[in-house]
Amino acid sequence: AQKITQTQPGMFVQEKEAVTLDCTYDTSDPSYGLFWYKQPSSGEMIFLIYQGSYDQQNATEGRYSLNFQKARKSANLVISASQLGDSAMYFCAPTGTGRRALTFGSGTRLQVQP
Amino acid sequence: GAVVSQHPSRVICKSGTSVKIECRSLDFQATTMFWYRQFPKQSLMLMATSNEGSKATYEQGVEKDKFLINHASLTLSTLTVTSAHPEDSSFYICSARDGRGAQETQYFGPGTRLLVL
Repeated sequence: AQKITQTQPGMFVQEKEAVTLDCTYDTSDPSYGLFWYKQPSSGEMIFLIYQGSYDQQNATEGRYSLNFQKARKSANLVISASQLGDSAMYFCAPTGTGRRALTFGSGTRLQVQP
Repeated sequence: GAVVSQHPSRVICKSGTSVKIECRSLDFQATTMFWYRQFPKQSLMLMATSNEGSKATYEQGVEKDKFLINHASLTLSTLTVTSAHPEDSSFYICSARDGRGAQETQYFGPGTRLLVL
């Protein structure tokens, strides 16, 4: 079974600053992927970024990037130049070989302050 | 990204009635869809995996006779909450796996808020 840990239940960041949201996971799968989703108050789950365990480079997608440290089993999400619209819950979700469903961490509530 | 729709977005029903929720992948075919449930201030919990043309796979503790899943086509999965009770009130959200890309991203519907009175 996979275990996902998001140690920050809540985070505050000033608008235009960068913020890092932590995620560590425990998996025995030799090959796996890591997803990050954003959930605003409306409830929808918005796909942000994906990292494959064998990817040579850290994933980037616009203002989102992953600080992927495979040996430490961590995949922290970095949001640069925060915007007020970034205020939401953020979930980390690894997926492994043979298991296509996502197992979500407890999430981090990010609040961007003007 | 790919688009997944979910209907209805909100439903209020009386205890004992059944509620059907539809999940559609609009611009891709999905042989596998997933149903999650999210209680307030909690994370999403997988309920079941919906497989086109075959029986759904339920997670431990999820009653298959209460949460009926039908995946009759490559673009539609339905979840029926039978004989709903107040404790079934929750946010139900589906996802569909887009197998076209290497990463097989799951795209989520907008969710359904169910309130059972």
